[in-house]
Amino acid sequence: NAGVMQNPRHLVRRRGQEARLRCSPMKGHSHVYWYRQLPEEGLKFMVYLQKENIIDESGMPKERFSAEFPKEGPSILRIQQVVRGDSAAYFCASSPKFPDRGSSGELFFGEGSRLTVL
Amino acid sequence: TQLLEQSPQFLSIQEGENLTVYCNSSSVFSSLQWYRQEPGEGPVLLVTVVTGGEVKKLKRLTFQFGDARKDSSLHITAAQPGDTGLYLCAGARYGGATNKLIFGTGTLLAVQP
Repeated sequence: NAGVMQNPRHLVRRRGQEARLRCSPMKGHSHVYWYRQLPEEGLKFMVYLQKENIIDESGMPKERFSAEFPKEGPSILRIQQVVRGDSAAYFCASSPKFPDRGSSGELFFGEGSRLTVL
Repeated sequence: TQLLEQSPQFLSIQEGENLTVYCNSSSVFSSLQWYRQEPGEGPVLLVTVVTGGEVKKLKRLTFQFGDARKDSSLHITAAQPGDTGLYLCAGARYGGATNKLIFGTGTLLAVQP
């Protein structure tokens, strides 16, 4: 099985441009999570999506950031009018189902997309 | 607000030494996971602990979940250079409409040969 696929791996944008990060979950997984990581720090939750639904976006900045997970195709994290503070690694993770006491709740992570804003 | 605090933040040791990493919170979690992340890669799950007081061993790594399910520890015996990486604990709460994992602040471990 292919793992979680993210692209691009590296993205360089100038201030004011748009960044689009894509994530294809593992086969059979219908739950997608986006996390942001600054160098040598932990991961900060951004958004949790299922197909065509945003379940929890409590970690998303109120402006410029949006996420979708359409019925067909990858999940996309979109950052409009990027600023230098958006520079970070953005990780996507997927899971097969909503975890409960009968499951491990393991998330499978992609290798990340590293955004650099000049 | 960071709900999970890890200590130490950085740790540099010699090969063969033992070490313990702590993950503490004032909140109760349904389960707690430990991940290891290597440079340029995503985190990879090491273990999940679910029951208060639970101890799990993975070769030279021993994981413990606190009795109150608020804290956890990772102990590595006879560390190897291959253990180098960023260790992250992550807490999960089940029930409700969301399933986000809350990640700890991370412990960056460097094992010198």
